[in-house]
Order: sequence, then structure tokens, then C-alpha cells
Amino acid sequence: GAVVSQHPSRVICKSGTSVKIECRSLDFQATTMFWYRQFPKQSLMLMATSNEGSKATYEQGVEKDKFLINHASLTLSTLTVTSAHPEDSSFYICSARDNPGQPQHFGDGTRLSIL
Amino acid sequence: AQTVTQSQPEMSVQEAETVTLSCTYDTSESNYYLFWYKQPPSRQMILVIRQEAYKQQNATENRFSVNFQKAAKSFSLKISDSQLGDTAMYFCAAAQGAQKLVFGQGTRLTINP
Repeated sequence: GAVVSQHPSRVICKSGTSVKIECRSLDFQATTMFWYRQFPKQSLMLMATSNEGSKATYEQGVEKDKFLINHASLTLSTLTVTSAHPEDSSFYICSARDNPGQPQHFGDGTRLSIL
Repeated sequence: AQTVTQSQPEMSVQEAETVTLSCTYDTSESNYYLFWYKQPPSRQMILVIRQEAYKQQNATENRFSVNFQKAAKSFSLKISDSQLGDTAMYFCAAAQGAQKLVFGQGTRLTINP
């Protein structure tokens, strides 16, 4: 149980393109979803916390107009990287949990490359 | 603010040996949770083990166990009878109640044949 599906797994696109990444909880209701960014050989950096039906809470230094997060249902959250540039190239991972204190379950990640 | 520290950037052991990964944390809360996650080369984040701070008994999952020292704010992971498939980055993480996870810097563990 507790499966989180993240799609796509790999994206290569031109600078200026907007890219949408989906995160779905397949067998549980995710009241809270999280979006992380991971640079090579580094730990996960939390970008934002998303609660179903409300606006996402962004971490300090993360541009909310650049990284649009929507959590419209209990099983789906999306991250849209708007007008992506090469510096946005990274590994993005989502996670989901049903209740506070329960473990976060992670998607497989999306490797984003902006040319 | 909550912080998590992993002081061992890399470790390497022979297959079948036992290895212990260190983690210390700092929190002002009494209600919190501690986790160890594994990230193999595929980059999936896999939950290894979870500990609730109010439980004194150390959590165990098959070959994985923790040594939770609450007063010392220490949460080490012991891997017994290590296997080649245990090769991965290991992240210690802490969450205060309903709050977000805070991750340590990670320890790269290599199991040698």
C-alpha cells in the first residue's frame, strides 16, 4: 500500500517552456502533499507544502509565481514550472501523507532538463 | 528551528557485516517523529524505519533497527547482515507533530562484495 505515482519521470525541453509535473496517491487520500527539489549529491530541499483545497505554503526563497502548485483533490497535486530556464534543471520529488505523524510516501521523481 | 545532522558523509563495509549510521537532531518539541529513508541509485525515496518520540522501545524492521537516545537526541540506524542491495544514500529525518520533514545531509553507504 501507500503508493505515490509521479509523472513524467523525465522531461527535456527548451528554455521558456512551462512544464507540469503530476503527483498522485494511488491507494490513499493525501491530505497533504510536499514538493522537493534535489541537487546532485545533496539532500532534499522542501519547496512547498500543499493541503487539499487550499493554497500551498512555500518555503523561504522559493518563487510561488515560478513554481505553481495546485492540490485540487485528495489524490492529485501538480507542480508547474513556468517559463523554465536552465537553472531550473533539477530532480523534483513529490511526497504525500494521509495524517500528521504518518510517514511521507514519495514518488519516483522527475528529472527536468532545460536546454 | 528543527535541525538534523548526519556526520558521516560516506561509509563502506563488506557484505554481511553490521554497519551503524549516525544521526543527531535538535528540537524543542516533545511530540515528534523520526525516520530513516533510503535512496538507491534509482533515486526512489524508500522508508526504512520510523520511531515515535514518545515510545521508548527502539523500532525494528527485519535487519534494520534504531538506537533512539532521547536525552542525547540521537537516532542511529543499524543494518545487520548487510547486503549489496543496501548500497544507497541514507537520510535521517525528523518531523514535529504535523509539521514538515527536516532531512539530514545524508550518508552514502557502499556495501562491498
